[in-house]
Amino acid sequence: DIQMTQSPSSLSASVGDRVTITCQASQDISNYLNWYQQKPGRAPKLLIYDASNLETGVPSRFSGSGSGTDFTFTISSLQPEDIATYYCQQYDNLRVTFGQGTRLEIK
Amino acid sequence: QVQLQESGPGLVKPSQTLSLTCTVSGDPISSGDYYWSWIRQPPGKGLEWIGYIYYRGSTYYNSSLKSRATISMNTSKNQFSLKLSSVTAADTAVYFCAREAWPAGYFDSWGQGTLVTVSS
Repeated sequence: DIQMTQSPSSLSASVGDRVTITCQASQDISNYLNWYQQKPGRAPKLLIYDASNLETGVPSRFSGSGSGTDFTFTISSLQPEDIATYYCQQYDNLRVTFGQGTRLEIK
Repeated sequence: QVQLQESGPGLVKPSQTLSLTCTVSGDPISSGDYYWSWIRQPPGKGLEWIGYIYYRGSTYYNSSLKSRATISMNTSKNQFSLKLSSVTAADTAVYFCAREAWPAGYFDSWGQGTLVTVSS
């Protein structure tokens, strides 16, 4: 099975900061990489699909890039409501794997 | 707009079988456009994909569950279900059902999740 290595595991940043999270796949997954936001007590919410496509209704400060094995998720200007845990997720050969998650806090 | 809702017992005894149902409204699960999935999250931990079912009845599972999971569907009720056998405390988690876009593989709609505790 494909393994996903997400980093960092936690991150503290100030409002307005640019925030970057990375995800590395153990083998080539093309662009089958998605990003989710999860707030406490809530289900995850899809933000980015196919590595770089913004889900409908998601603010444009969120973006994603990458292909193959290396992917990046960026918040261009951190807002207080962005405090959450973020997960990457890959889909390959009918199997799904999530990254370990990045807990984002306000400094 | 599609909505998903999990239901089932919140407490299961060790060695027994966990059974959950996801009721879908707003989208027929027989349409063929999506996989219908189960995902779980142990308290304070990350997300773990359990498996999914496709409208033709094809199923795919996380190999780490070692054949303990079974997903089925009831198209007349627009529901799909999860059975997880021989549970232990390690199976205590919030269980989510979700809709997964095919063939892209992203989860675009989720249920609210239901906590299942394995304890005697």
